[in-house]
Amino acid sequence: QQPVQSPQAVILREGEDAVINCSSSKALYSVHWYRQKHGEAPVFLMILLKGGEQKGHDKISASFNEKKQQSSLYLTASQLSYSGTYFCGTSDYGGSQGNLIFGKGTKLSVKP
Amino acid sequence: NAGVMQNPRHLVRRRGQEARLRCSPMKGHSHVYWYRQLPEEGLKFMVYLQKENIIDESGMPKERFSAEFPKEGPSILRIQQVVRGDSAAYFCASSQQRGSNQPQHFGDGTRLSIL
Repeated sequence: QQPVQSPQAVILREGEDAVINCSSSKALYSVHWYRQKHGEAPVFLMILLKGGEQKGHDKISASFNEKKQQSSLYLTASQLSYSGTYFCGTSDYGGSQGNLIFGKGTKLSVKP
Repeated sequence: NAGVMQNPRHLVRRRGQEARLRCSPMKGHSHVYWYRQLPEEGLKFMVYLQKENIIDESGMPKERFSAEFPKEGPSILRIQQVVRGDSAAYFCASSQQRGSNQPQHFGDGTRLSIL
């Protein structure tokens, strides 16, 4: 089942914060987050594994609530360079070989 | 450049022709994944390969599509007798080890256009 991302799109001013959510109807083993700019390759941000862990790098962090089958990506004090489409990719239990199921993406636009 | 290399970046084919897309994984990576992306859509898994083995091809259409990752050389995604609906961006990703706890690093993709 494809994970559901919300919101579909968000517009921010530089310095504002945003939260992007990724929900699945299936139990998850891991959640991967990527950012893709138009016409470019998706760029790996971070992986979260079952156990409700949180991760962060600079002003981008994420959490994974295994019970709720949901992950959230937090962008604080957004910069122009944060613009792009954010995808979550999920894998469930059931002997996943590593292939990911991606959501449809959240388009983030940061304005000056 | 030690990243994932895909070529060509753009490929134009007429209906009925064959398309060959190549992917060289990052140095030290032996696991390759192929994904297809339509405009404004997420990436859809097609196939997962390790050197000389297809591990999971559950996302690949049964007809016209095939993939390989030989002992030497790049991974190849082959589409025979292309149709308009095959137009999409095809991305390859690689990882160092097997498993869904491994980060996948993507190439720049091949944009396939069918006339």
